[in-house]
Amino acid sequence: GAGVSQSPSNKVTEKGKDVELRCDPISGHTALYWYRQSLGQGLEFLIYFQGNSAPDKSGLPSDRFSAERTGGSVSTLTIQRTQQEDSAVYLCATTSSTRPYEQYFGPGTRLTVT
Amino acid sequence: GNSVTQMEGPVTLSEEAFLTINCTYTATGYPSLFWYVQYPGEGLQLLLKATKADDKGSNKGFEATYRKETTSFHLEKGSVQVSDSAVYFCALLNAGGTSYGKLTFGQGTILTVHP
Repeated sequence: GAGVSQSPSNKVTEKGKDVELRCDPISGHTALYWYRQSLGQGLEFLIYFQGNSAPDKSGLPSDRFSAERTGGSVSTLTIQRTQQEDSAVYLCATTSSTRPYEQYFGPGTRLTVT
Repeated sequence: GNSVTQMEGPVTLSEEAFLTINCTYTATGYPSLFWYVQYPGEGLQLLLKATKADDKGSNKGFEATYRKETTSFHLEKGSVQVSDSAVYFCALLNAGGTSYGKLTFGQGTILTVHP
């Protein structure tokens, strides 16, 4: 596609439920990053994919968070047993192999845990 | 570790005023530096970048110069417009010679420009 897309754009869920957030990268972009933007913590790195592998998961805040990427394309971030502190905007960014230092961001998914 | 510190906002200016948003960083090695902008209701967009000392990034009338001696990357624009109202984020990427780099962001500066 022309840009990074994310779905859903908004998600409201009850505490304790599981949620899945999806990222569709720019076609041909090999690297994919997840970030979280919250009022208290600003913008934080969560996880990085190169192809389908995740060499850096250091930003995942707890074992309730996991992510996968299939076919070197779509990525899904899953949050199990959501907590109120998980409320944030989850951002996905991708880069091409020719410009690996320029990250292009999707519009984000706003997650609200009630 | 890596860190980025931006001047605290919000910043409120009149149209055609001069803009400076200060950004300083702490990092080992030779990071790349970026400014991202987030317009109301939209996602983060790359505004400009600089990959080595003394490089000047520029775009849409905005400029920033990578100053290694002062570890700074201040954003400037000579004449702001109402349409520049947005949140501006300074960021660094410390790839360490690899092709991978997670971004470390400053806290963001809200800019509001009045007619």
